Amino acid sequence: DVKVTQSSRYLVKRTGEKVFLECVQDMDHENMFWYRQDPGLGLRLIYFSYDVKMKEKGDIPEGYSVSREKKERFSLILESASTNQTSMYLCASSLGDSASRYEQYFGPGTRLTVT
Amino acid sequence: AQKVTQAQTEISVVEKEDVTLDCVYETRDTTYYLFWYKQPPSGELVFLIRRNSFDEQNEISGRYSWNFQKSTSSFNFTITASQVVDSAVYFCALSEAGWGYGQNFVFGPGTRLSVLP
Repeated sequence: DVKVTQSSRYLVKRTGEKVFLECVQDMDHENMFWYRQDPGLGLRLIYFSYDVKMKEKGDIPEGYSVSREKKERFSLILESASTNQTSMYLCASSLGDSASRYEQYFGPGTRLTVT
Repeated sequence: AQKVTQAQTEISVVEKEDVTLDCVYETRDTTYYLFWYKQPPSGELVFLIRRNSFDEQNEISGRYSWNFQKSTSSFNFTITASQVVDSAVYFCALSEAGWGYGQNFVFGPGTRLSVLP
């Protein structure tokens, strides 16, 4: 079974803090994704990566950066957390040379609250 | 641009009833992929099924079945004899092929299904 793990289920941070969300997958997937999920707005893609050190912006990259130094690990960084980044963050991974062709497998999510 | 519509925001049924979740999509590509995911209260999205645009065969997996109709651009999901454990938000998603390394998954807004005992 594919397993995608995220470093925390719940996180509370203060405005202005630098926040790291970690995601690890154990299936040797090429593609990894970060989404945020908000009520009424659905899932929105922040960034994705199709290979080590490669990244592409999604729909809402502002205020976020990512790092992929190893194939299995994809980190989401909030450079200076703000209250409007309070959300559920979901990491996903998928197989293949095309990020569109295959199903994505999701982690359990991190519910981040910025106060 | 591609789009996924799930017109039913919320559905409530009583246990053992059958329920169909609708999904209508828009795309200009001839090659595309359709997916269904389940998000139970725990929050993790669980992959249920993937279909490519060239395979219109309906699929059945236990109490779950899917009806793909290109003529109406629909990919509906039916749960037979629903159970309380089926209570979740269900997402339909679409992606278009031929984007190389790009990605263009689009998720629908989701349908919240409540199965009452």
